Amino acid sequence: NAGVTQTPKFQVLKTGQSMTLQCAQDMNHNSMYWYRQDPGMGLRLIYYSASEGTTDKGEVPNGYNVSRLNKREFSLRLESAAPSQTSVYFCAGKQGADYEQYFGPGTRLTVT
Amino acid sequence: EDQVTQSPEALRLQEGESSSLNCSYTVSGLRGLFWYRQDPGKGPEFLFTLYSAGEEKEKERLKATLTKKESFLHITAPKPEDSATYLCAVQASRGGATNKLIFGTGTLLAVQP
Repeated sequence: NAGVTQTPKFQVLKTGQSMTLQCAQDMNHNSMYWYRQDPGMGLRLIYYSASEGTTDKGEVPNGYNVSRLNKREFSLRLESAAPSQTSVYFCAGKQGADYEQYFGPGTRLTVT
Repeated sequence: EDQVTQSPEALRLQEGESSSLNCSYTVSGLRGLFWYRQDPGKGPEFLFTLYSAGEEKEKERLKATLTKKESFLHITAPKPEDSATYLCAVQASRGGATNKLIFGTGTLLAVQP
């Protein structure tokens, strides 16, 4: 099993460009999450999907959109990238309410 | 407001020198407290879940404990390979199906040989 996978691993964008971060899991997770991690601020929730077909905003959703394509895949889109979105992005999944979240390896995004 | 505070921010130990990391939390009803390990350039790796005060979990040189206000991650006789950032997160009992986690900023542990 690959677990939680993310593509790409690294990306450099110019201000105003768009891109989609991909996440896939083969752990039968019902819920999936997107976080960003910035120095000194910990992991902050961007969007989540409690189950297939549903998505909802987290703590810092502005400038992002998500799609839960099916049970396995959850993508994060930046429509018009800004330097403030320079960060490391992590996708995570969990099987149910009282289970732990499992994280992917991350995407390091730089917006110039 | 739900909050998680970890201390110290950084800790340097000699190999074999035992110590503890602290995670203090404020949450309206604790559903679970989670410990993760994060190596540089990688995603957080799950270590433990604690659900109620008095609960303890162990894995190799690590032991996690939980009270009503805080959790400790005890590291016994650490080795250089234990060097990492240790993250604490809490899940509140309210919120239904959202199951969101609130993370602390982590403790960076360095174990020197």
